[in-house]
Formats: sequence, structure tokens, C-alpha cells
Amino acid sequence: DIQMTQSPSSLSASVGDRVTMTCRASQSISRYLNWYQQKPGKAPKLLIYAASSLQSGVPSRFSGSGSGTDFTLTISSLQPEDFATYYCQQSYGSPHTFGQGTKLEIK
Amino acid sequence: QITLKESGPTLVKPTQTLTLTCTFSGFSLSTSGVGVGWIRQPPGKALEWLALIYWDDDKRYSPSLKSRLTITKDTSKNQVVLTMTNMDPVDTATYYCAHLQNTGGYYSSLGQWGQGTLVTVSS
Repeated sequence: DIQMTQSPSSLSASVGDRVTMTCRASQSISRYLNWYQQKPGKAPKLLIYAASSLQSGVPSRFSGSGSGTDFTLTISSLQPEDFATYYCQQSYGSPHTFGQGTKLEIK
Repeated sequence: QITLKESGPTLVKPTQTLTLTCTFSGFSLSTSGVGVGWIRQPPGKALEWLALIYWDDDKRYSPSLKSRLTITKDTSKNQVVLTMTNMDPVDTATYYCAHLQNTGGYYSSLGQWGQGTLVTVSS
């Protein structure tokens, strides 16, 4: 299995901050990397696919970058509704493993 | 508009078999490139990918659970069924089904998710 490691596991930030979180794959996955946002009690929501493509309807303050083994998700200016847990997922090889998540909390 | 909804028992006993049904609309599982996946999340923990079925009946399973999982589809009913045998309390989780979208023929992602269903394993 390809292991996905996210860092940090939790992050405190304020509204308006620029935030970056990372995801590392245990082997090269090219650009087969997705990012999801999950709020408490809700299903995950796809934000970014293919490492940097914005899913339809997702605000442009979200962006993704990277290829190979190292990837980042950036939120350019945090909004109150962005406080949630973020998961990366690789779709390079089966099983399509998820990272352990980064919880973004209000400072 | 794509929608998915999971259904099945909320409580199962240890050693029993769990059967979950994902009923969807807005897409067809006979369309090339389409798939439906199952993912679970124990309370307070991370997402765990379980299984995936493609339009051509190709099936993929989590290696750690492969011996216990079966995924099938009924294209005429727009349903995907996941069975998990020999349930244990550690299998207590919210189970989600999701629509697999393919972009450019290569990049797949879970674009739409069901609301999830909490399954508790307890005697």
C-alpha cells in the first residue's frame, strides 16, 4: 500500500491567515493526489483533484500544488467556514489510501 | 445532479455479516470511467478506503480487509452493495459511499459522497 502522511496533524490559525498543509506519499504518485475537506458530522467534500485542479464550486482561495511525493494545500485567506479537517488521498494505485488528516482550528 | 445514499442496519452483532446498499442517481454505472467506492470512518478517526467497483465490473479492495469484503453492482437499480463478514466492535464506523469521477481519463477522485450511515457493532 502507498502510505500518505499529512503534517501537521493539527494547526491553529486566524481568519484572514494564509495556511499551508502538506501531504507526503511513500512512493511517487505523479499528480494522482486529491484533497478533501470534512466538517464535523458531515461527509467529506472534494476540493482539489489531480494535485492542483479546483473542483467545480470550490472557492479560489483553495489551491494545491506538488507532484511525485510531496504535495501542499494552501488556503490564501482563511474564512470562518474553512475550519475543518483536511484529508489527502492518492489515486495512483489501489487501495486509494487517505492521509490521517490535518485539523484546522481557530486560534 | 449526483446524489448517493447509504442504507443498512445501524446495529450488528459481532461475527454477523453487514450488508450496506448505496442507492444513487444522476449517473449510470454502465458509463465508461465511472465507479462507486466505499469508505469508512471510525468515531473520531481518519477516513479508511474500503472498496471500489468500476463500470466494467472491475473490483478493488483494501488488502487488509479483502478477505471480508465483497462489492457488487446492480446497474438496473442504480445500486452498489458492500458486504463485510465477521463483524467486530472495531468495525464500528460511519460508512460512506461515493461517486468516482475520472478526469482526463487518468485522474480519479471521489466527487460526490453520500451522507454516511453509522454502523455500531455490539452484542
